[in-house]
Amino acid sequence: GAVVSQHPSRVICKSGTSVKIECRSLDFQATTMFWYRQFPKKSLMLMATSNEGSKATYEQGVEKDKFLINHASLTLSTLTVTSAHPEDSSFYICSPAVGEKLFFGSGTQLSVL
Amino acid sequence: DAKTTQPTSMDCAEGRAANLPCNHSTISGNEYVYWYRQIHSQGPQYIIHGLKNNETNEMASLIITEDRKSSTLILPHATLRDTAVYYCIVRAAVGGAQKLVFGQGTRLTINP
Repeated sequence: GAVVSQHPSRVICKSGTSVKIECRSLDFQATTMFWYRQFPKKSLMLMATSNEGSKATYEQGVEKDKFLINHASLTLSTLTVTSAHPEDSSFYICSPAVGEKLFFGSGTQLSVL
Repeated sequence: DAKTTQPTSMDCAEGRAANLPCNHSTISGNEYVYWYRQIHSQGPQYIIHGLKNNETNEMASLIITEDRKSSTLILPHATLRDTAVYYCIVRAAVGGAQKLVFGQGTRLTINP
């Protein structure tokens, strides 16, 4: 199956700092990348959809200036959580799309102190 | 909003077949049925997907009713490692990538 690399797998940061999460598709090219967030014992919630070379589309209630998404190439997308606060602590998951199939990264557990 | 409904939880004995139902009564003609599972603190893992015909792969079988309003995922010989949350999702794949909307899924527990 397709290989998706997401890192870091776990990050702890101080309130007010920014954190960058990387997602790479190692053996395929993904024209679309989805970013999800998951709180404990909850389902995945879509945050935004990005297409290579264009601006991301954010879901209602997701602040685009706080969650910066860059999809500069077909194999790399990044999510930056700016000025992180404790309520941003969550499990973040990337999902590159290839035709009918969507694959998922292994997730990043963000803890903001 | 998710377009599927699933039981919140299910139990199955190790070695038996696990049958996970899913209702998607409002599914459109161009929407596929996808199944993913998520083991604690990991990203979702693709299992199988189908449009209207039954599908089988090395992991599972997918049975879709003729009217496409419901489906069943079958794990033929469940093992302890199959304990996970299973998500049934409908998604259109025509015209490029379309997003997945996750419901609450079914928490499947395989008992020894």
